[in-house]
Amino acid sequence: QVQLVESGGGLVKPGGSLRLSCAASGFTFSDYYMSWIRQAPGKGLEWVSYISSSGSTIYYADSVKGRFTISRDNAKNSLYLQMNSLRAEDTAVYYCARDRGSSGWGACGYWGQGTLVTVSS
Amino acid sequence: SYVLTQPPSVSVAPGQTARITCGGNNIGSKSVHWYQQKPGQAPVLVVYDDSDRPSGIPERFSGSNSGNTATLTISRVEAGDEADYYCQVWDSSSDHYVFGTGTKVTVL
Repeated sequence: QVQLVESGGGLVKPGGSLRLSCAASGFTFSDYYMSWIRQAPGKGLEWVSYISSSGSTIYYADSVKGRFTISRDNAKNSLYLQMNSLRAEDTAVYYCARDRGSSGWGACGYWGQGTLVTVSS
Repeated sequence: SYVLTQPPSVSVAPGQTARITCGGNNIGSKSVHWYQQKPGQAPVLVVYDDSDRPSGIPERFSGSNSGNTATLTISRVEAGDEADYYCQVWDSSSDHYVFGTGTKVTVL
């Protein structure tokens, strides 16, 4: 069965960096587009970034562009989010999600359980 | 940027029908997806591409999309349907995914 497990969250000071990982299993990782989506405490869902199956096409939300970098290692079945210049407003649970289908730009059919990032001094 | 607007809350009695709207400019031209999120849990896809259901999602969940409004309909509402619901689209003009503001469904 499809499984997505995020790791790497924690407490970091403003201006600091953190790298999130998402370990995928139960499907052919290299066939699917992947997303990072976050949710601030008590708030709604916010899309962060999207990467194509090969990693050649990448999109970012305006709120993170220039600070965050999404990447993937298809050989390791892993998705990453490098977060630099972190701000208090980046505090959130970060979810990785897999497209439902393999053609891209579709619904997020599978989600991990999330990892909490707290940016505070 | 593209904006999706949902009512903050919807209340419904058990056995009745809940309708959750998602408003956006010409949203009928886009594919709309809906997610259910219960407290402390990750979101779950309940409707994709306007009106299709993933396997395992009850037929009580259905969707429609036309003009400037998409709608998620939950028929014969059960206590277990109490959750937050979010709509989502891909906005090709900005190359961004957009989520709606979210609707809290309360079962009376």
